[in-house]
Amino acid sequence: DIVMTQSPLSLSVTPGQPASISCRSSQSLLESDGRTCLYWFLQKPGQSPQALIYEVSNRVSGVPDRFTGSGAGTDFTLKISRVEAEDVGVYYCMQNIPPRVFGPGTKVEIK
Amino acid sequence: EVQLVESGGGLVQPGESLRLSCSASEFTFSIYSMHWVRQAPGKGLQYVSGISHNGEGTHYAESVKGRFTVSRDNSKNTLYLQMSRLKVEDTATYYCVRDLYYYDRDIYRPGASDFWGRGTVVTVSS
Repeated sequence: DIVMTQSPLSLSVTPGQPASISCRSSQSLLESDGRTCLYWFLQKPGQSPQALIYEVSNRVSGVPDRFTGSGAGTDFTLKISRVEAEDVGVYYCMQNIPPRVFGPGTKVEIK
Repeated sequence: EVQLVESGGGLVQPGESLRLSCSASEFTFSIYSMHWVRQAPGKGLQYVSGISHNGEGTHYAESVKGRFTVSRDNSKNTLYLQMSRLKVEDTATYYCVRDLYYYDRDIYRPGASDFWGRGTVVTVSS
């Protein structure tokens, strides 16, 4: 299986400040059809996870535009332009080449 | 409103079997791939298994391959996970997940969102 790593594993951010999470895969996530199979999920405290970003940079419906995904091949980044209190939780990257594999998660807290 | 309701969790001993069910409603179940994802207490997410919209394609995490079987009944809008030879390390909350993509005219297209159930707890302990 593909191995996913994330850094940092925890992050404390002042509201209104930016945040960035890195995700790396053990092999390229670029598929033959041109799609890159990288998702980002957020699990808020006490809730089930929800997808934020699919195919590296596409926001799921309803996700605020302060969330931006970027990257290619094996290196990816999720950026939050201005962190809000509701953004706390654990962020996971996930590769979508079967079988799917999640990264270890990055816990985001508010200072 | 989309609903995914998992059931069938419980306390079992190592080596025993359990079948999880996920009842889906308020969306066209038969056009979505479905997945099982688990989360051990205090740990991260672990992908378990997935099945294509028509049940013809399945895949499994290496850790459950040969022990777990995913299936679906589109006439009943229900997803299943048959778990056998359970191990202590299978202890987790098991989430039923609707894929973001749906099958439409021979291709998968991205929908508005994925959807996760609230989970059912499986505890494997002697």
